[in-house]
Formats: sequence, structure tokens, C-alpha cells
Amino acid sequence: NAGVTQTPKFRVLKTGQSMTLLCAQDMNHEYMYWYRQDPGMGLRLIHYSVGEGTTAKGEVPDGYNVSRLKKQNFLLGLESAAPSQTSVYFCASSYPRSRDLGREQYFGPGTRLTVT
Amino acid sequence: DAKTTQPPSMDCAEGRAANLPCNHSTISGNEYVYWYRQIHSQGPQYIIHGLKNNETNEMASLIITEDRKSSTLILPHATLRDTAVYYCIVTSGGTSYGKLTFGQGTILTVHP
Repeated sequence: NAGVTQTPKFRVLKTGQSMTLLCAQDMNHEYMYWYRQDPGMGLRLIHYSVGEGTTAKGEVPDGYNVSRLKKQNFLLGLESAAPSQTSVYFCASSYPRSRDLGREQYFGPGTRLTVT
Repeated sequence: DAKTTQPPSMDCAEGRAANLPCNHSTISGNEYVYWYRQIHSQGPQYIIHGLKNNETNEMASLIITEDRKSSTLILPHATLRDTAVYYCIVTSGGTSYGKLTFGQGTILTVHP
């Protein structure tokens, strides 16, 4: 049981390039999330998904797109990278026992992205 | 979701209890208190959560005041490996779909 994995671990992009970050979970979780963390800051939610085929915007969605074609995978895309997107990206998943309750989230190890 | 206030940093001696406070004076009746920690650039790790009653698990204890306006996370016997940023988060779950809003957290340093 690998939990939540993220690919790649590190990446350097030039301004204007595109890339996709992959998040995979093997816990059969319904909900998945993408966060970014800038130096000295807490995590901020980019996008999230409450099930296969569904996505929704979080706090800082601009410049990012996501897709959840399979339940176990959640992809984060940067169409035209900018230096302001230099950050550490974390993926998380959770399993809703009840819609009325918050659920603990399980986080991946992060992807460190630098845009020059 | 209610806003939380935590001290920016705290120190603790190894082997002693670490008591991390959190104020959430605007918490509403259906909101839970969650604690996560982040050890040096790793992904955050869930610790514990509660609604009204005190909770305990293998990692920590959570004490919530009767009026629910504040809580304390207790690490009973802190070790050097507990040095981390600790986040107190209040969330309703429900229509928020478990989304978490992270603040700055408390940097806990456990020293020998």
C-alpha cells in the first residue's frame, strides 16, 4: 500500500513551458486535492475533486487545470508556466465516511517546481 | 470555515509534554477541530480531530474547551522527531468537501 504518490519529485521549467503533475492513490479514496505551498507559508488549495470525472476550483485556481479521469489519479496541469508558480505542490486524498463530517487527508511527498 | 490563531513558535524539552494552543472563537456548531503537522518540507500528516469531547489516539490528545472556542494539542512525551510545524484547522466538512484551510501554524522545536 503506497498511499499517495506524486510524479515527478522535482522539475525545472522555463517560463511559458507546460507540464503535468501526476498524483496517484491506492486507498480507493473518493476525494482528491491539489495544494501549493510557498516558502514560509501554509498550504493553499488549488483544485479538488469529489469523484471520478468531477473537479472544482479551490482558493488559487488561476493558471492551473485538473482532470480526474480515473478514481485513483488526479492530474494537475500548467499550460504556460510563470515564475509565480514556483512552489511545492502537494496532493492529498480522503475518504468521506459521511458528507457531514470532515475527513482526514493523506498527503503525498510533494513536487518541487521551479519556473525560471 | 472558522479562523484559527496559533502562536508562531514554541519550544519543548525532549521527554516533556508539549502543549500547543489554538484559538477558534468563531467556530460554529458543526465545525470540527483538526490538527496536522508538517515535518521539514514533507507532506502534512494528520494527527487528530474532535468536535466537542476530548480525544486521544496513539499520537496525541486533543482537549477542547466547553465553549469550543479554543483547544490544546498535547504530545505527552515529545521527542526530537516531533519537531515540526503544527497546524490547527477548523472545518465543517459537509459542503466544504473536507477542504482544509492552512494558516501559518506553530513551529514546535523539541530540544535535547
